[in-house]
Amino acid sequence: DIQMTQSPSSLSASVGDRVTITCRASQSISSYLVWYQQKPGKAPKLLIYDASNLQSGVPSRFSGSGSGTDFTLTINNLQPEDFATYYCQQSYNVPWTFGQGTKVDIK
Amino acid sequence: EVQLLESGGGLVQPGESLRLSCAASGFTFSSFAMSWVRQAPGKGLEWVSAISSSGGNSYYADSVKGRFTISRDNSKNTLYLQMSSLRADDTAVYYCAREEGTFRGVRFDSWGQGNLVTVSS
Repeated sequence: DIQMTQSPSSLSASVGDRVTITCRASQSISSYLVWYQQKPGKAPKLLIYDASNLQSGVPSRFSGSGSGTDFTLTINNLQPEDFATYYCQQSYNVPWTFGQGTKVDIK
Repeated sequence: EVQLLESGGGLVQPGESLRLSCAASGFTFSSFAMSWVRQAPGKGLEWVSAISSSGGNSYYADSVKGRFTISRDNSKNTLYLQMSSLRADDTAVYYCAREEGTFRGVRFDSWGQGNLVTVSS
């Protein structure tokens, strides 16, 4: 199975900050990497797929990059509604596996 | 609007069985592969099982293989997860999710609201 490791596990940030979350795969997954946002008590929401493609309706302050084993989710100009937990997921092969999550909270 | 509505969760004892359902609407159900993803209390996301659009192919996480069975009824626009020999570590919120994309590049673009399954004596 492909292991996904996110860093950091949590971070504190302020409104307007730029936030960067990293996801590393245990083997090359080309660009088959997905990012989700999850708020407490809610289902995850798809943000980015194929490493850098923004899902329809997602604000442009979210962006993704990377290929191979190392990937990044960047949130520019952090907004109050962005405080949540973020997960990466490899979409290279079954079993689909997720990172452990990165919680972004208010500083 | 895509809607996925799970049902069938609840409290069961270890070793018992339970069937989850996910009623789909707002899209052509028979055209999409579907998955179940779970989340233990306070923990991260774990993919559980997937089924092809026709139902002809299914896939399982090692943690549930041999105990869980995924199925679908395209005439009823409904996805199922039959869970047997349940264990305490199966306790989680179970989400059904629609798959978008090809075999490589699958992403879960729509999710149900989640259904809590608690396994406890």
